[in-house]
Amino acid sequence: GEDVEQSLFLSVREGDSSVINCTYTDSSSTYLYWYKQEPGAGLQLLTYIFSNMDMKQDQRLTVLLNKKDKHLSLRIADTQTGDSAIYFCAETLRGGSYIPTFGRGTSLIVHP
Amino acid sequence: DTEVTQTPKHLVMGMTNKKSLKCEQHMGHRAMYWYKQKAKKPPELMFVYSYEKLSINESVPSRFSPECPNSSLLNLHLHALQPEDSALYLCASSPTGGGNTEAFFGQGTRLTVV
Repeated sequence: GEDVEQSLFLSVREGDSSVINCTYTDSSSTYLYWYKQEPGAGLQLLTYIFSNMDMKQDQRLTVLLNKKDKHLSLRIADTQTGDSAIYFCAETLRGGSYIPTFGRGTSLIVHP
Repeated sequence: DTEVTQTPKHLVMGMTNKKSLKCEQHMGHRAMYWYKQKAKKPPELMFVYSYEKLSINESVPSRFSPECPNSSLLNLHLHALQPEDSALYLCASSPTGGGNTEAFFGQGTRLTVV
C-alpha cells in the first residue's frame, strides 16, 4: 500500500460532491482503478481509466488523471448515504507484472 | 458470468484445524490471486497463479498452501493457523497474467482463528 497513497478520511453532506485523491508510482500502469468496499463486503470495481485518457465520466462518477504528476481523482456527484464506504485506488503494474496494488483506502462518510 | 465465487463466506477454525478456502471463476481467466485483508487496511497480495502455475509467493508462511487444480479453481489450504491470521481472504482473477486488464474480485471469506 505504500506505493499508492490516499488520504484516509473524507466527510461530506448528502447531495454534495465528493473528491477522493490518489497518487501512484508506476508510470507504466496502463489501467488505473477505483474499487469500493462496503463494511464486511468484498471489493467492487467502480470504474477504471486508461493512461492515455485524462478524464472519464460514468454517470455520477468522474475520474481525472494527471499522468505527469501521477495523480488520480474520483469525483462522486450528488453523494448519497449509500456511497459511504472505503474507496481504494489501485495501480496494476509492479516490476513489469500485472498485480493489482492498492492504496490504503479513503473512508467516505456521508452525513444526511 | 463476471463473477468470482468464494466459499465459504465465513469460517471459524481452531489453531489445530485444517481447512480450505475455495475460489471459482468461469470467465476463462488465466491469472488468479489470493489477497489477505486485515480490518481497515488495503488488500495485501499473497499468491499469484498464472496459467495454473504459481508465479508469485509474497513470502507467505507455509501454514498457507495454495493450489490451482485447473484454470477455473483456486484453493487455499490452511493448517495450524494463528489468531493473527484472522482476516478477510479475497480471491481475484484477470484475463491474463501480464498486460493491463481488469481484475475481478470475489466477496471474500471472513476467517476467524480461535
